[in-house]
Amino acid sequence: ETGVTQSPTHLIKTRGQQVTLRCSSQSGHNTVSWYQQALGQGPQFIFQYYREEENGRGNFPPRFSGLQFPNYSSELNVNALELDDSALYLCASSLTGLNTEAFFGQGTRLTVV
Amino acid sequence: TQLLEQSPQFLSIQEGENLTVYCNSSSVFSSLQWYRQEPGEGPVLLVTVVTGGEVKKLKRLTFQFGDARKDSSLHITAAQPGDTGLYLCAGARGSGGSNYKLTFGKGTLLTVNP
Repeated sequence: ETGVTQSPTHLIKTRGQQVTLRCSSQSGHNTVSWYQQALGQGPQFIFQYYREEENGRGNFPPRFSGLQFPNYSSELNVNALELDDSALYLCASSLTGLNTEAFFGQGTRLTVV
Repeated sequence: TQLLEQSPQFLSIQEGENLTVYCNSSSVFSSLQWYRQEPGEGPVLLVTVVTGGEVKKLKRLTFQFGDARKDSSLHITAAQPGDTGLYLCAGARGSGGSNYKLTFGKGTLLTVNP
């Protein structure tokens, strides 16, 4: 059974560019959530995907978008990058259902310069 | 906006000491989860508490969920340097039978000195 894997682990982008981050969910998990963790803060919920559809969204602008594929892997896309987008982006996979456990990947450290 | 307040924000103690970390909210959650996060890594789940008043023990760690399901505490007995890390509490609220989202506190950065 493989855990949650994210790629790339580190990334440097220039303000205004676009970025795509990838996540492979844990085997058998059908729900993927994305979080942004700024330095010194707790993770902030971006959105969740279930059965390839967005299943809830946090307080993030539309330039943050996502996809989930039939194999439950997921992508996070951010357009028109801003300096404040610099953060650790975490993907978490889980089974659907209330109070199920979420398993996090190691994250992608994005730096916008 | 739901907020989870964690205290203290920073804690530096000597090996062998006991400590308690608190997680408080004005909102009710269906469950509360505690995670530990090490630098450059994602959070790792320690425990999930679901029932008001519930107490769970994990070796030297004791977790308690408040009766009203709005607050929680984590108590560590005889802390060891390996306990060093960022401790995060997260409240879960969902709708339609799905684990909608986790709301995290800012975390407590614990340093245990040998």
